[in-house]
Amino acid sequence: TQTVSQSDAHVTVFEGDSVELRCNYSYGGSIYLSWYIQHHGHGLQFLLKYYSGNPVVQGVNGFEAEFSKSDSSFHLRKASVHWSDSAVYFCAVRSSSGSWQLIFGSGTQLTVMP
Amino acid sequence: EAAVTQSPRNKVAVTGGKVTLSCNQTNNHNNMYWYRQDTGHGLRLIHYSYGAGSTEKGDIPDGYKASRPSQENFSLILELATPSQTSVYFCASGDKNTEVFFGKGTRLTVV
Repeated sequence: TQTVSQSDAHVTVFEGDSVELRCNYSYGGSIYLSWYIQHHGHGLQFLLKYYSGNPVVQGVNGFEAEFSKSDSSFHLRKASVHWSDSAVYFCAVRSSSGSWQLIFGSGTQLTVMP
Repeated sequence: EAAVTQSPRNKVAVTGGKVTLSCNQTNNHNNMYWYRQDTGHGLRLIHYSYGAGSTEKGDIPDGYKASRPSQENFSLILELATPSQTSVYFCASGDKNTEVFFGKGTRLTVV
């Protein structure tokens, strides 16, 4: 069974700060990891993904994430946040074989203060 | 551009009534998903499909049926709607190693 844990329900930072949103997963096989963003009242939009290769992946709007097999983590980072980055961020995991279930974490609400 | 279209966008249904939520994708993706989103629970998978004619149970399938009559269309059916099924429902499509594309959501209220 795959599970995804986002330990921080809320993160508040100031504009220009760096931020890291945490994601840990549990799954024994090959997996496909991704991050999505949801602005209030809207659907989810894709940010970035990791399947294999370089463990640091770049996404849209300056976001990047780093995969760590030893820590079972896929944390999302941004060096300098903007007020428009305020949203809910979801980490997701999917098996790369067999079941194609895409399982989401509970989300982290990021609030960027001016 | 990849697109997932949900209809209706808003729906009010009566308890015990039948509700059908429709989803259409133009991405030619094999996999399609139905989620519900509730405060405090994030997104929970209801049903998913590997292709036309296939439906699989997700984490919370009770009270829901799904139908995939074609590659493009994936419906979620509530035969006997209950107030506990009041939620925002999202449809999505994706394939192996691709990102998953989401619809804009359907807000369902069961009174």
